[in-house]
Amino acid sequence: DAKTTQPPSMDCAEGRAANLPCNHSTISGNEYVYWYRQIHSQGPQYIIHGLKNNETNEMASLIITEDRKSSTLILPHATLRDTAVYYCIVQTGANNLFFGTGTRLTVIP
Amino acid sequence: EAGVAQSPRYKIIEKRQSVAFWCNPISGHATLYWYQQILGQGPKLLIQFQNNGVVDDSQLPKDRFSAERLKGVDSTLKIQPAKLEDSAVYLCASSLGLVGTGELFFGEGSRLTVL
Repeated sequence: DAKTTQPPSMDCAEGRAANLPCNHSTISGNEYVYWYRQIHSQGPQYIIHGLKNNETNEMASLIITEDRKSSTLILPHATLRDTAVYYCIVQTGANNLFFGTGTRLTVIP
Repeated sequence: EAGVAQSPRYKIIEKRQSVAFWCNPISGHATLYWYQQILGQGPKLLIQFQNNGVVDDSQLPKDRFSAERLKGVDSTLKIQPAKLEDSAVYLCASSLGLVGTGELFFGEGSRLTVL
């Protein structure tokens, strides 16, 4: 099973870009990288996913390295509401998402 | 669009008692998941349904946990008898298809405390 490594915690100043790194060196060629976040006492919320190319949506950008062994989630202008645990997930097997322990992002006023 | 509904939000029971959680997925979503999230950890998949069939239940402790999805819509997760280590948030999620074809939508969870 492909696993991910994330820093346990990060701080970011409000209004600045938050760059959350993730290592997934054992990822297979057909496995997607997903990012979810979980705000306190809520269920996880989907942010973005990608396979090889960089992706952008209204919430964030996902930058995947050419060798696909790592990726970075970018929140372009962090707000206090972005304070949450961010999970970098690699699809394992046909159907499962292995969440890991994630990165706790704290946005500081 | 209504989200994934779960009930109850909170439940406190004593060990060896039984408990059941209910989930109503987003309308039209074929795939339904039950996750267990212990405090300080990420969610762990317990069971996955595709319509009313089980796709993956390899992490479900079958001696005490059971789940069903009759008619391919609502689902219930039951624990009998409960142990102290079952204290966790039980999250239900649904998706249109299998992983890799789209996002999972999660409910707010059911928090279980076993005393």
